[in-house]
Amino acid sequence: EAQVTQNPRYLITVTGKKLTVTCSQNMNHEYMSWYRQDPGLGLRQIYYSMNVEVTDKGDVPEGYKVSRKEKRNFPLILESPSPNQTSLYFCASSPGDRSYEQYFGPGTRLTVT
Amino acid sequence: AQTVTQSQPEMSVQEAETVTLSCTYDTSENNYYLFWYKQPPSRQMILVIRQEAYKQQNATENRFSVNFQKAAKSFSLKISDSQLGDTAMYFCAFMKHVKYNQGGKLIFGQGTELSVKP
Repeated sequence: EAQVTQNPRYLITVTGKKLTVTCSQNMNHEYMSWYRQDPGLGLRQIYYSMNVEVTDKGDVPEGYKVSRKEKRNFPLILESPSPNQTSLYFCASSPGDRSYEQYFGPGTRLTVT
Repeated sequence: AQTVTQSQPEMSVQEAETVTLSCTYDTSENNYYLFWYKQPPSRQMILVIRQEAYKQQNATENRFSVNFQKAAKSFSLKISDSQLGDTAMYFCAFMKHVKYNQGGKLIFGQGTELSVKP
């Protein structure tokens, strides 16, 4: 089954404790991205990657890091989480020739206390 | 920069009735895509309908249809014969057309929370 998986689905952590949210897709998609969803703001892009070893900032990159060492994986790293990073996070992927076909992961609910 | 605005934070409709969700956008691009996504309580993002800007014909998917007004930069979603399962957050989104593997960034509106009442 074609899918995007994220782990963990729920996470409660404390300020400053480094964490990683994993994202993996099994469709050989070139493009992957991370979004955060906040009430009243919709979803906003954090980082994106056009292929292995090619990443770039989205609209709200502060406080986040990413890497793309393998085509299928695109982890989101919070080196020192803060309460303002409490949010719902989505990973998405799409094929290079059909960027309009976005596949979303199930979401990760992160709470930073 | 592109922006998407949904001016209705919440709406409600009676089961079997018709409801229209509004969306406006701002862009200087001529070639782009517009989307409506549904987010039920499970939080999964589900594509409802997609419209290519170069197509004048409004897209339809079963009970869901859009009214795409390119000159007015308006893209509303009409849900006919509303069902309880339509209860969800609905997001309007914009994506500019790009060449092969040049990205697929979605610009989302704020969302409209739709409640279908029995």
